[in-house]
Amino acid sequence: DADVTQTPRNRITKTGKRIMLECSQTKGHDRMYWYRQDPGLGLRLIYYSFDVKDINKGEISDGYSVSRQAQAKFSLSLESAIPNQTALYFCATSGVSSHEQYFGPGTRLTVT
Amino acid sequence: RKEVEQDPGPFNVPEGATVAFNCTYSNSASQSFFWYRQDCRKEPKLLMSVYSSGNEDGRFTAQLNRASQYISLLIRDSKLSDSATYLCVVHSSNDYKLSFGAGTTVTVRA
Repeated sequence: DADVTQTPRNRITKTGKRIMLECSQTKGHDRMYWYRQDPGLGLRLIYYSFDVKDINKGEISDGYSVSRQAQAKFSLSLESAIPNQTALYFCATSGVSSHEQYFGPGTRLTVT
Repeated sequence: RKEVEQDPGPFNVPEGATVAFNCTYSNSASQSFFWYRQDCRKEPKLLMSVYSSGNEDGRFTAQLNRASQYISLLIRDSKLSDSATYLCVVHSSNDYKLSFGAGTTVTVRA
């Protein structure tokens, strides 16, 4: 089984809808991250969490919120989806002393 | 200016060739450097860390030039399986995030 899983893998939704992307990990890592990837822009950090009680905004947090339900779970919500949130979303984890991040398989989100 | 900039390519090379490419970073306080590999529509995976003295991992060689603020990756004896996008990643000591380049695409042809 994969160490980092994301659900759903693909989602098409309409403008204005609320949507949640979920991430689970079995690596036992404290640190978890949400990124979006757009062509030509690279991965951009949306939110990150260093433990269950720690939530931090990344460089592009507007329009997004997160919840760290447990060490193993970190969900990303789009409160009111808009078309420019169409992107590939990745969840990642890392250990406390490691900068190596382990990524989930990604969620391809399309907002129409 | 982007924190990490890469030539997007694509670099189209025949099997067995050597291919090399660089990335530049803007934050002189950057401490740690990495190359990640991303296959089409898949998740990025760590290829190798980049050390100040340069390092090799099989056919892959990474170099760091702090004075000019660039990192390089060289692939020798290219294989078809090396076809991927290579992401340059930089970590700064004054924050906790990794900064990703947009990637350099390499296509190895038979």
